[in-house]
Amino acid sequence: NAGVTQTPKFQVLKTGQSMTLQCAQDMNHNSMYWYRQDPGMGLRLIYYSASEGTTDKGEVPNGYNVSRLNKREFSLRLESAAPSQTSVYFCASSVLEGEMDEQFFGPGTRLTVL
Amino acid sequence: QQPVQSPQAVILREGEDAVINCSSSKALYSVHWYRQKHGEAPVFLMILLKGGEQKGHEKISASFNEKKQQSSLYLTASQLSYSGTYFCGTEIQTDRGSTLGRLYFGRGTQLTVWP
Repeated sequence: NAGVTQTPKFQVLKTGQSMTLQCAQDMNHNSMYWYRQDPGMGLRLIYYSASEGTTDKGEVPNGYNVSRLNKREFSLRLESAAPSQTSVYFCASSVLEGEMDEQFFGPGTRLTVL
Repeated sequence: QQPVQSPQAVILREGEDAVINCSSSKALYSVHWYRQKHGEAPVFLMILLKGGEQKGHEKISASFNEKKQQSSLYLTASQLSYSGTYFCGTEIQTDRGSTLGRLYFGRGTQLTVWP
């Protein structure tokens, strides 16, 4: 059981470049989440998917797009990277049946935009 | 929507106690607590639900005051392994009494335990 996996672990981009962060879970969870973490700011939700086929904006969605490819995979795309998107990105998954259960986090992707 | 955590940082000696507080301006469905060690992902500690049910860590306790939308995490007889940043996540209750299925996290409380 790998839990939640993320690729890549590290990435350096130039302003204006695009990239996709990949996330997969093998726990048969129905909900998946993308967060960004900046120093002193806590975890801020970018997008989430309560179930396969649905996606919703979180607190900071501007500059990002997501795709819930199937129940296992949830990708985050930066179309035109900006220095303000330098951050650590965490993917998480959870069972969601009525109320929320614990979230399982991936190891994170450390992204630097120059 | 983001809950407020206090204090921002705590420094303890091994064996001392600490309390971390989390408050929200919204009616809450549940409060979740996570711990994150430097360079690692957050790890689940516990959930406190409306009505008093708790799920999670056996050695860490917490309370949830539904009327005040406040939660407190109690770390007693702290160990070196307790060091890290603690985050509360709040699940907001909608006007219909249900949940949006997402958490709002506080900015964290950094706990350092010295030997």
